[in-house]
Amino acid sequence: SQTIHQWPATLVQPVGSPLSLECTVEGTSNPNLYWYRQAAGRGLQLLFYSVGIGQISSEVPQNLSASRPQDRQFILSSKKLLLSDSGFYLCAWSLHSGNSGNTIYFGEGSWLTVV
Amino acid sequence: AQSVTQLGSHVSVSEGALVLLRCNYSSSVPPYLFWYVQYPNQGLQLLLKYTSAATLVKGINGFEAEFKKSETSFHLTKPSAHMSDAAEYFCAVSASYNTDKLIFGTGTRLQVFP
Repeated sequence: SQTIHQWPATLVQPVGSPLSLECTVEGTSNPNLYWYRQAAGRGLQLLFYSVGIGQISSEVPQNLSASRPQDRQFILSSKKLLLSDSGFYLCAWSLHSGNSGNTIYFGEGSWLTVV
Repeated sequence: AQSVTQLGSHVSVSEGALVLLRCNYSSSVPPYLFWYVQYPNQGLQLLLKYTSAATLVKGINGFEAEFKKSETSFHLTKPSAHMSDAAEYFCAVSASYNTDKLIFGTGTRLQVFP
């Protein structure tokens, strides 16, 4: 069966410091990968979307970047964190089928607090 | 563009009472619709999804949702609430017909009182 792992679970970082959140998927090949951010009262916002190694789509302009160095690894990064980057970050995956309607499966999330 | 509106950011019910969480969508193409549940400090778990088969969709934990095209709605119901149903619920619509990307609503927090 497929599993998704995301770490660290909790992170407190000072303003201006770098960020790296990692996510790996096991049990499937060539998945679509996603980074979402959840802010209170605003639901989930899609940040990045990837259909393959090195293929990243940025959904909103921001202080963050994403990379996919391996098929099942997705990394969310920042060079200099802002206070507004605080939130709950969720990695997710879905089957790469070319169709819509596939279920998106979420990791357990990472709480980022920028102080 | 596709969008989702969840009416009511907070819903409170008594244990054993009917649960009704409202979701209306806007979509330029036949939509795929989803309900997810999130327990505190956890990721999202799929409750059920509509993908143009039966309009009444049954999910896990006794939840179901009915797709009503004329009302552009996909409300989530459960006949009898349980304390363990307390969580946040998100409705989502597919962003377009050829992608799995989802557009989420802002969520509804369900409280269940004994």
